[in-house]
Amino acid sequence: DIVLTQSPLSSPVTLGQPASISCRSSQSLVHSDGNTYLSWLQQRPGQPPRLLIYKISNRISGVPDRFSGSGTGTDFTLKISRVEAEDVGVYYCMQATQFPQYSFGQGTKLEI
Amino acid sequence: EVLLVESGGGLVQPGGSLRLSCAASGFIFSSYWMSWVRQAPGKGLEWVANINQDGSEKFYVDSVKGRFSISRDNAKNSLFLQMSSLRADDTAVYYCVRDLTGVGIDYWGQGVLVTVSS
Repeated sequence: DIVLTQSPLSSPVTLGQPASISCRSSQSLVHSDGNTYLSWLQQRPGQPPRLLIYKISNRISGVPDRFSGSGTGTDFTLKISRVEAEDVGVYYCMQATQFPQYSFGQGTKLEI
Repeated sequence: EVLLVESGGGLVQPGGSLRLSCAASGFIFSSYWMSWVRQAPGKGLEWVANINQDGSEKFYVDSVKGRFSISRDNAKNSLFLQMSSLRADDTAVYYCVRDLTGVGIDYWGQGVLVTVSS
């Protein structure tokens, strides 16, 4: 099974400042089809998760461009260029390379 | 608009059973894999089970194999999770989610709380 390890688990941030979250996989997330199925989810307090980014760096429609994803193989990063108040919540990385089995990182709590 | 609405949660005693339902709308339900994902109180996300478009393929996390059963009714745009031999560590919010090829999970329901306690 693929294990995803996020760091930090908690990230105090200042409004207007950048933030970065790391996700490391126990094995390469490159699928046999050449794609890397690593996504980032945001869960605001009291809400279900929502998809922000898929296949490392593809933003879902409506997601602000201050969110960006990068990485290759086993190491991935979610960056927020300038944190806004609405960004508070928990962020999860998720792999779908091993579909139909999914796995998630432990979550990183972003707090002001 | 894609909507996934779960129902059937509640309080159940250890060893008991419960059936969760998910009503889907806003997309062609029969064209998608569907999954259940759960989140224990204050904890992270755990994939539980998924099912292919016609219900012929089903997969489960090891901790629920033999106790949970996923199914679907494409005529009624509905997904189900039959849970039996429930344990305290099954206590969680259960989310109905849509699987999108090439993406992973793209839509989540609001979730339904299952509490296993005596």
